[in-house]
Amino acid sequence: EADIYQTPRYLVIGTGKKITLECSQTMGHDKMYWYQQDPGMELHLIHYSYGVNSTEKGDLSSESTVSRIRTEHFPLTLESARPSHTSQYLCASTQAGTSYGYTFGSGTRLTVV
Amino acid sequence: DQQVKQNSPSLSVQEGRISILNCDYTNSMFDYFLWYKKYPAEGPTFLISISSIKDKNEDGRFTVFLNKSAKHLSLHIVPSQPGDSAVYFCAAGRGAQKLVFGQGTRLTINP
Repeated sequence: EADIYQTPRYLVIGTGKKITLECSQTMGHDKMYWYQQDPGMELHLIHYSYGVNSTEKGDLSSESTVSRIRTEHFPLTLESARPSHTSQYLCASTQAGTSYGYTFGSGTRLTVV
Repeated sequence: DQQVKQNSPSLSVQEGRISILNCDYTNSMFDYFLWYKKYPAEGPTFLISISSIKDKNEDGRFTVFLNKSAKHLSLHIVPSQPGDSAVYFCAAGRGAQKLVFGQGTRLTINP
């Protein structure tokens, strides 16, 4: 069973709409991440957080924003969606200090028309 | 600056044969390495990992080999099965720092 949940799984929206992609984990992990991946391409880190009220931009510039008000919740928001935002968005988490890998959610496939 | 590279974007293997996926890295400070498997429209799932103090780790049909002098690791799958068809990502980390992922290799197992 998944310990990190992403909703919605699929989303088709019109240009200019504001959207929030949800990510929640029940493992009490301190570190959470958002990745963007296009088909056949690598994973691009767009945001990460090492704890409550801590957020940083990742390696790939993104017009999205994130917040971390609670340990278990790390939502990603696009204020005005555009077709170039069409992609798969993956959320992951890990415990601080661990040498083990990330646990990923199932992802949100976003299509902006 | 791509610290983790998977130079083969795709690989096709016959069912029952061995699949070998390769990964190279440039940062000698990495102290652990992982392989993830990803199906379309799904998130990556952890497959197997290896610490830099080891040169081999085996889990069922999956074995990861690490060659630190060559800064190279490989994932062997034997025997390959149709369900192994997926994209495989290599990742490397150092301590508590962020993982660095490779570009992925799409493995196709043919009947």
